[in-house]
Amino acid sequence: DTEVTQTPKHLVMGMTNKKSLKCEQHMGHRAMYWYKQKAKKPPELMFVYSYEKLSINESVPSRFSPECPNSSLLNLHLHALQPEDSALYLCASSQDYPGPYEQYFGPGTRLTVT
Amino acid sequence: GQNIDQPTEMTATEGAIVQINCTYQTSGFNGLFWYQQHAGEAPTFLSYNVLDGLEEKGRFSSFLSRSKGYSYLLLKELQMKDSASYLCAPHSGGGADGLTFGKGTHLIIQP
Repeated sequence: DTEVTQTPKHLVMGMTNKKSLKCEQHMGHRAMYWYKQKAKKPPELMFVYSYEKLSINESVPSRFSPECPNSSLLNLHLHALQPEDSALYLCASSQDYPGPYEQYFGPGTRLTVT
Repeated sequence: GQNIDQPTEMTATEGAIVQINCTYQTSGFNGLFWYQQHAGEAPTFLSYNVLDGLEEKGRFSSFLSRSKGYSYLLLKELQMKDSASYLCAPHSGGGADGLTFGKGTHLIIQP
């Protein structure tokens, strides 16, 4: 199984809402990633988890809060977002050290902030 | 920091060959990834080059020159389904580092 799944596929939320994005993989990968992609732009790295510990935070605003409850799951908690945060949020996973290894991407969650 | 340059858009004809270039300047370098992304879909891995030279994988080949900071993706026998964005990502770290992509090349295949 080389699939990364993400839920929900689409999400519309208001600026005062709290919501969560979920990502799951069963490939035994110990590295997981969140990317943000705006229209006609490449994906931009947000966070990296290595062995369930946050290893990279690309200066992402605190209204985005990642969580890695176990080696198969990755969440992104959203709170008090702004309309400019509307984008496609992609999760990816890969093997870890020694690396680097190809990343497997999920289909993404398309987020609209109203 | 990284500076990655790719053409924004290219057009080619079905059955032909196209070369997508990527130049980069990075503070460190281990290798370079190429990914394909169809509109509305997730990026998928195409190749990873570490050594100088050409690596062939079916209709797709990827070339790297470390000394020139240059790579290209060569697509042969183009098919309509090759219409997609092609993203290059030079990699400087090890292990789980995340990817910094170039802005991507949108390839349009015409019949």
